[in-house]
Amino acid sequence: RKEVEQDPGPFNVPEGATVAFNCTYSNSASQSFFWYRQDCRKEPKLLMSVYSSGNEDGRFTAQLNRASQYISLLIRDSKLSDSATYLCVVNMGNYGQNFVFGPGTRLSVLP
Amino acid sequence: GAVVSQHPSWVICKSGTSVKIECRSLDFQATTMFWYRQFPKQSLMLMATSNEGSKATYEQGVEKDKFLINHASLTLSTLTVTSAHPEDSSFYICSARSTGGRETQYFGPGTRLLVL
Repeated sequence: RKEVEQDPGPFNVPEGATVAFNCTYSNSASQSFFWYRQDCRKEPKLLMSVYSSGNEDGRFTAQLNRASQYISLLIRDSKLSDSATYLCVVNMGNYGQNFVFGPGTRLSVLP
Repeated sequence: GAVVSQHPSWVICKSGTSVKIECRSLDFQATTMFWYRQFPKQSLMLMATSNEGSKATYEQGVEKDKFLINHASLTLSTLTVTSAHPEDSSFYICSARSTGGRETQYFGPGTRLLVL
């Protein structure tokens, strides 16, 4: 089993749609969790951290379920500019020593 | 967020050439930096962890003699791909660990290496 797994994608959605990405991780001792986005031929950029209580940043909502080892990202009212690959990232060690990236889920928001 | 730079952004070289890539943290000190490689349509794969003032820690399957890492200062780590071959062509990305607030990593813009 891979350490971090994500929806295979790609997701093609119309503008304004709500889209949800799922991610599961294998190591129950994982410390912290993040969502990054990566545009084509660019480096990953931090989108948001994922907190145990769930957190929201504008149109983006992240949730964590430690018992199920599951992370989600919800994007509401999707924009064309949201088109990117979304990477689920799990820190499986202490102090950022072991960031493990999921394979990513590609999103295309269509006009 | 923190700023990490990489240089060069593009390299095209002949097979057998050694290529040096620099990674700098511009507005913070980074005792730990990371080097990743990403092949087309694949996820980032950690190659090595670069520790300031000590030897790098390489991931399984990554040849330390081929990918030389030097982290001589708190703001600079370098990756040298020695005797590069076409199969080394990839997108190399560094990141630096930020310890302010919640631990996270900030990525450099990446270096595209094409070995002919």
